Amino acid sequence: ETGVTQSPTHLIKTRGQQVTLRCSSQSGHNTVSWYQQALGQGPQFIFQYYREEENGRGNFPPRFSGLQFPNYSSELNVNALELDDSALYLCASSQRTGTDTQYFGPGTRLTVL
Amino acid sequence: RKEVEQDPGPFNVPEGATVAFNCTYSNSASQSFFWYRQDCRKEPKLLMSVYSSGNEDGRFTAQLNRASQYISLLIRDSKLGDSATYLCVVIAGGTSYGKLTFGQGTILTVHP
Repeated sequence: ETGVTQSPTHLIKTRGQQVTLRCSSQSGHNTVSWYQQALGQGPQFIFQYYREEENGRGNFPPRFSGLQFPNYSSELNVNALELDDSALYLCASSQRTGTDTQYFGPGTRLTVL
Repeated sequence: RKEVEQDPGPFNVPEGATVAFNCTYSNSASQSFFWYRQDCRKEPKLLMSVYSSGNEDGRFTAQLNRASQYISLLIRDSKLGDSATYLCVVIAGGTSYGKLTFGQGTILTVHP
């Protein structure tokens, strides 16, 4: 196992609601990246946090936001949920930013009804 | 054009077969290349990095052709446990933060 944990495992929400997903990085890792994986697709980069600051962002609207805490765990927040937000949300931690290997957590499966 | 493109398959092969997956990427400044494996409803796991000189790990061989912007993965002597989705992954140039860009994945099923 990678040592990266995510919670919750599964979540069901309705359109318009807000959701918070959590990720604990592997010990010694200061960088967390979040990805969204729709069914049948590869993961898409949402953003990365490095030492508590957003360090890069993919093509996602501002209603996707995040935080990183002093212990390097992280949250992904999504406001005003839409049906298309239904996906597997993956976080990945790495020892540093850049080209260091990223280790993925098991993901949170979000269903928006 | 997608940044990373793969043949989605599915590939259905018998045990013992040799199978090859291909992947192309559009950003010529891409820095690093990987193959990840993803089992059904699980997270992606790093299978191997890909180097210009080519690299081998047991039954798996990865090749990179920078001139053609092309990456390949060869699996020899396929096992039932090799059944999974194989994701081609690139760290694109122009970023310093290691954004992984994934292809859509190639589904492999190995049957007895």
